[in-house]
Amino acid sequence: GAGVSQSPSNKVTEKGKDVELRCDPISGHTALYWYRQRLGQGLEFLIYFQGNSAPDKSGLPSDRFSAERTGESVSTLTIQRTQQEDSAVYLCASSFHTNTEAFFGQGTRLTVV
Amino acid sequence: GENVEQHPSTLSVQEGDSAVIKCTYSDSASNYFPWYKQELGKGPQLIIDIRSNVGEKKDQRIAVTLNKTAKHFSLHITETQPEDSAVYFCAANSWGKLQFGAGTQVVVTP
Repeated sequence: GAGVSQSPSNKVTEKGKDVELRCDPISGHTALYWYRQRLGQGLEFLIYFQGNSAPDKSGLPSDRFSAERTGESVSTLTIQRTQQEDSAVYLCASSFHTNTEAFFGQGTRLTVV
Repeated sequence: GENVEQHPSTLSVQEGDSAVIKCTYSDSASNYFPWYKQELGKGPQLIIDIRSNVGEKKDQRIAVTLNKTAKHFSLHITETQPEDSAVYFCAANSWGKLQFGAGTQVVVTP
């Protein structure tokens, strides 16, 4: 596609439910990044993929968070048993390689009520 | 791991003046330093980047400088315009991981 696509754009969920956030990177981009941005805050690194592998998972806040990538393409970020502090915008970015320009999607705004 | 600090957190400038944002990084292995602009409700967009083998780069009203020895890099915006108002983030890429600073809210007043 023309850019990084994230879905859904908005998600409201009840506390305790699981959610899946999807990221479709730019075709041919081998690197894919997930960030969390709380209201008025900076970008908190969660995880990145090189191909289908995640060399660094250290940013995942807890074991309720997981991510996978298949076919060196789409990635899903799963949050289990959501809590109110998970409310944020989740941003995905992709780049041709690491150390090249990363393009961001518009994000998924997650609200846990 | 990499730690990126960014200052100031807010910056108010008059239209036509210059704006400077400074960042420091901790990991000497970092070799790629992009700057992003984020407008309200949108994802960040790259405005300029610099690699560790270059000391300065300029693109029209925007310039970035890098001091590898001191682990500092800075963004300079000249002749600011109201449309430059946004949040600006610096970042450093170390071992594939792109780590961001906390952001600077820039307000350009007419």
